[in-house]
Amino acid sequence: GQQLNQSPQSMFIQEGEDVSMNCTSSSIFNTWLWYKQDPGEGPVLLIALYKAGELTSNGRLTAQFGITRKDSFLNISASIPSDVGIYFCAGPASGTYKYIFGTGTRLKVLA
Amino acid sequence: NAGVTQTPKFRVLKTGQSMTLLCAQDMNHEYMYWYRQDPGMGLRLIHYSVGEGTTAKGEVPDGYNVSRLKKQNFLLGLESAAPSQTSVYFCASRERLAGGPGQFFGPGTRLTVL
Repeated sequence: GQQLNQSPQSMFIQEGEDVSMNCTSSSIFNTWLWYKQDPGEGPVLLIALYKAGELTSNGRLTAQFGITRKDSFLNISASIPSDVGIYFCAGPASGTYKYIFGTGTRLKVLA
Repeated sequence: NAGVTQTPKFRVLKTGQSMTLLCAQDMNHEYMYWYRQDPGMGLRLIHYSVGEGTTAKGEVPDGYNVSRLKKQNFLLGLESAAPSQTSVYFCASRERLAGGPGQFFGPGTRLTVL
């Protein structure tokens, strides 16, 4: 079945640094979604991507829909302590109403 | 708009007890989902519904039942709780439109089964 692999699994960074993470699949996705989950909360949608090659920003966050449609990238610029959390990529499973989620990238920011 | 709400927020059960988790959304969304989240395993789909009166199994449906009697509510039932069902449960909803803004999640229910 379709799977999403996220990398890295976790990362510690210094406040002010830029962060990059990615999500890959062996299958093609027509939509890529990036969510953030704060501790003790539900995931919140950050960015949605609908076309191959699309680059979309939301404040300090920028996400790209890979040209092959098998990957997506999320960058966070000038990280701050509130960026701490788990970042999930997700995409709709083909031919169904379901979504597939990656296992997440856990981000910790050192002040 | 309250978005997606879940009750209760926390619950402790003994093995064999039953309970129902309630999810409500006020966005008039057609699709609703129940997930469980366990450490290191991401979100796994339990059951979902594509409309009032319809439900379908996800990837981990065993031990759970669901009902969607009203469009705005999606109930998740545990008939006989087991320690393996200790988890955080999330409800989500989305609109029918393909290419829409994805799913909106509730705040979660933390369930511990002793």
